[in-house]
Amino acid sequence: EVQLVQSGGVVVQPGGSLRLSCAASGFTFRDHAMHWVRQAPGKSLEWVSVVTWDGFTTYSADSVRGRFTISRDNRKNSLYLQMNSLRAEDTALYYCAKDALGSSNWYYFDYWGQGTLVTVSS
Amino acid sequence: EIVLTQSPGTLSLSPGERATLSCRTSQSVRNNNLAWYQQKPGQAPRLLIYGASSRATGIPDRFSGSGSGTDFTLTISRLEPEDFAVYCCQQYGSSSITFGQGTRLEIK
Repeated sequence: EVQLVQSGGVVVQPGGSLRLSCAASGFTFRDHAMHWVRQAPGKSLEWVSVVTWDGFTTYSADSVRGRFTISRDNRKNSLYLQMNSLRAEDTALYYCAKDALGSSNWYYFDYWGQGTLVTVSS
Repeated sequence: EIVLTQSPGTLSLSPGERATLSCRTSQSVRNNNLAWYQQKPGQAPRLLIYGASSRATGIPDRFSGSGSGTDFTLTISRLEPEDFAVYCCQQYGSSSITFGQGTRLEIK
């Protein structure tokens, strides 16, 4: 059974930093690109970032580029999102998601984590 | 980036009725790389359709997707009580993945 288990929620001050983690099991982690997708309260989904199977290629949404860094550790079957210079508008439920098809390209998401609530507030 | 516009915002129907949800894109989606998800309160999204018209594993055949270019449709042929949820489209034809704003399907 595919499982994506995420770290717990947190409150952080504006301008602060945070690292999210996602532990994968039930599939060959290194064979798939992985993503972060977020959902602000009452809003729709927003794709955040992707990392290819080998960790060498990443791509991010304009809204987070230069502030957030996605990475992975295939030895630990884990995905990460380093979030810096956090703003109030980054408050959201952050999901890690498995790419259904791609390893070096990215497509759509067939499995999702349970979500991590990040609240940016003073 | 490609902007996805879903309509209607809210759709009120009764069980047994047919639901038709629209997703229009600001540019043509390469290879019709469009997916649909269902999301219920407090749950992660669930993949329904990929490649505009292919059903994901385990999805009932009352769900179908169609369309091409900039105009896509999700149809639920006969609504079951568990189908009332929010539906969201996603394009993956460009490097920057984008989602629609969602359609809420509610019980009339």
